[in-house]
Amino acid sequence: QKEVEQDPGPLSVPEGAIVSLNCTYSNSAFQYFMWYRQYSRKGPELLMYTYSSGNKEDGRFTAQVDKSSKYISLFIRDSQPSDSATYLCAMDDNAGNNRKLIWGLGTSLGVNP
Amino acid sequence: GAGVSQSPSNKVTEKGKDVELRCDPISGHTALYWYRQSLGQGLEFLIYFQGNSAPDKSGLPSDRFSAERTGGSVSTLTIQRTQQEDSAVYLCASSAYDTQYFGPGTRLTVL
Repeated sequence: QKEVEQDPGPLSVPEGAIVSLNCTYSNSAFQYFMWYRQYSRKGPELLMYTYSSGNKEDGRFTAQVDKSSKYISLFIRDSQPSDSATYLCAMDDNAGNNRKLIWGLGTSLGVNP
Repeated sequence: GAGVSQSPSNKVTEKGKDVELRCDPISGHTALYWYRQSLGQGLEFLIYFQGNSAPDKSGLPSDRFSAERTGGSVSTLTIQRTQQEDSAVYLCASSAYDTQYFGPGTRLTVL
């Protein structure tokens, strides 16, 4: 079993839909959680960064961490065609440099106009 | 400002040849990482540099892989005697402290 599980999709939704992307993990020491967005033929870019449990909101994006269930989510409201990308979760137990991030496989999202 | 750049963007080589992949990090970023991204495998950590030294090389898959960083800036990943299983996208990321910023990657195809 992988340390981080993420359904690769693909996920296809109509424009304006609410999207829910999820990852589960097995290591209870993880406390830093990130969501990266990766467009085709580009490198990943950081979208959301959360520490420990709770919610964090940034515009149309909300990141949620449930450490008791070892489950993290990314919600996208009012999805747009420009949100079509692969979304990767990443996490670790250590801040600062030499971060050995553990990555999910990524979920491919398509938003149809 | 300028982000992380990588070159070449694409590289096609024959099995058994050596290849060099280059990464130019964001100016002032002391940490530099190399990853490999294969279809269905996700991001695989290869090596981490702090300045010019590599305290963590644990992800290099074999002794055919090596990397160096000079002047605390540019890094080169070298793959000797390439094999077909080396085909992947090689990503570089740099960091000032906490957040890793990625380059666009080099897509390597070994025929």
